[in-house]
Amino acid sequence: DVKVTQSSRYLVKRTGEKVFLECVQDMDHENMFWYRQDPGLGLRLIYFSYDVKMKEKGDIPEGYSVSREKKERFSLILESASTNQTSMYLCASSSGGHESYEQYFGPGTRLTVT
Amino acid sequence: QQQVKQSPQSLIVQKGGISIINCAYENTAFDYFPWYQQFPGKGPALLIAIRPDVSEKKEGRFTISFNKSAKQFSLHIMDSQPGDSATYFCAASTKGWYSGAGSYQLTFGKGTKLSVIP
Repeated sequence: DVKVTQSSRYLVKRTGEKVFLECVQDMDHENMFWYRQDPGLGLRLIYFSYDVKMKEKGDIPEGYSVSREKKERFSLILESASTNQTSMYLCASSSGGHESYEQYFGPGTRLTVT
Repeated sequence: QQQVKQSPQSLIVQKGGISIINCAYENTAFDYFPWYQQFPGKGPALLIAIRPDVSEKKEGRFTISFNKSAKQFSLHIMDSQPGDSATYFCAASTKGWYSGAGSYQLTFGKGTKLSVIP
């Protein structure tokens, strides 16, 4: 089974702190994604990566950056956390081959910024 | 601009009834239409998916109906059970090309919270 793990299930940070969310997948997938999930807004793509050290902005990249130094690990960074970044953050991965549409999600990190 | 519109936001169905969730899309380049199911405290997981070359796909109690001309697709859950209570997301995908590498992205609807009552 594909396994996508996220470093924390719950995280509480203060405004202005630098926050790192880590995601690891064990299926040698090329593609990795970061979404945030908010009630009534569904899943919105923040950033994705299609290869090591490669990244592309999603729909809502403002206030976030990402890092992918190894194929299995994709980090989301909040440079200076703000209260409007309180949300559920979901990481996903998918293979890079033909027909590689299916994304496998981690359990999510619920981040609260106070 | 929301590219995939999902309705209703919430749905309450009696056990044994049929649950129907609808989605509409705008981008005719979409070529893959999955439904994801999310239980509380878990990440979404693929439930069923369809390509635009077929009008219907059935897996057990779950059926996707697809209308290409209307740019609409729907999820039907037959004989709904309390264990089906979850949030359901429709999505649509197309392949983008970035620096020569292909990558499939999903555009999600806003989700439908389904409650099946005994």
